[in-house]
Amino acid sequence: EDQVTQSPEALRLQEGESSSLNCSYTVSGLRGLFWYRQDPGKGPEFLFTLYSAGEEKEKERLKATLTKKESFLHITAPKPEDSATYLCAVQAYNTDKLIFGTGTRLQVFP
Amino acid sequence: EPEVTQTPSHQVTQMGQEVILRCVPISNHLYFYWYRQILGQKVEFLVSFYNNEISEKSEIFDDQFSVERPDGSNFTLKIRSTKLEDSAMYFCASCVAGVGEKLFFGSGTQLSVL
Repeated sequence: EDQVTQSPEALRLQEGESSSLNCSYTVSGLRGLFWYRQDPGKGPEFLFTLYSAGEEKEKERLKATLTKKESFLHITAPKPEDSATYLCAVQAYNTDKLIFGTGTRLQVFP
Repeated sequence: EPEVTQTPSHQVTQMGQEVILRCVPISNHLYFYWYRQILGQKVEFLVSFYNNEISEKSEIFDDQFSVERPDGSNFTLKIRSTKLEDSAMYFCASCVAGVGEKLFFGSGTQLSVL
């Protein structure tokens, strides 16, 4: 069964303290791995898509990487506005659906 | 920036009543989706819709659920006879070209079934 596990469940960082979020996945055939940001009471907001092992993508303080079993979202020198829940999702071949993990709730304190 | 719009933002209903959740996808998008998130749980896929028909649905999407694109702009999710366990945040999403593409999600409709 295709599934996604994210860790840690919650992460508290001081402003400027870099860290990484983990997404482990099992999928029959990976079409794409997606990272989304979700603010309270809002829908997921797209961040990145990764398609193959070794691929990396960056956006401002965020960098996503992908291996055959997991993905990392690296946050460099985070700011309080980076506080949110970060969701990882995978899509297999021959399906429309995204399978989401439970997310990592990130809090960045000034 | 274009966005997916959902109405209402909150819906309270009695068990057994019908509800219709409404969505206006981004105008040039061709693929439409409904997902839901029960409080504290994962975002779950319900259904995908393309070319005026359902292309895929999950086990959750039983006979009590239906989707419709009644005109060129709206996309609706109907629950015929709501149950307590239908209480969740329902998200509409759309994308240009389907699988492998990034989804744009609306802000959701919080459905509470009493």
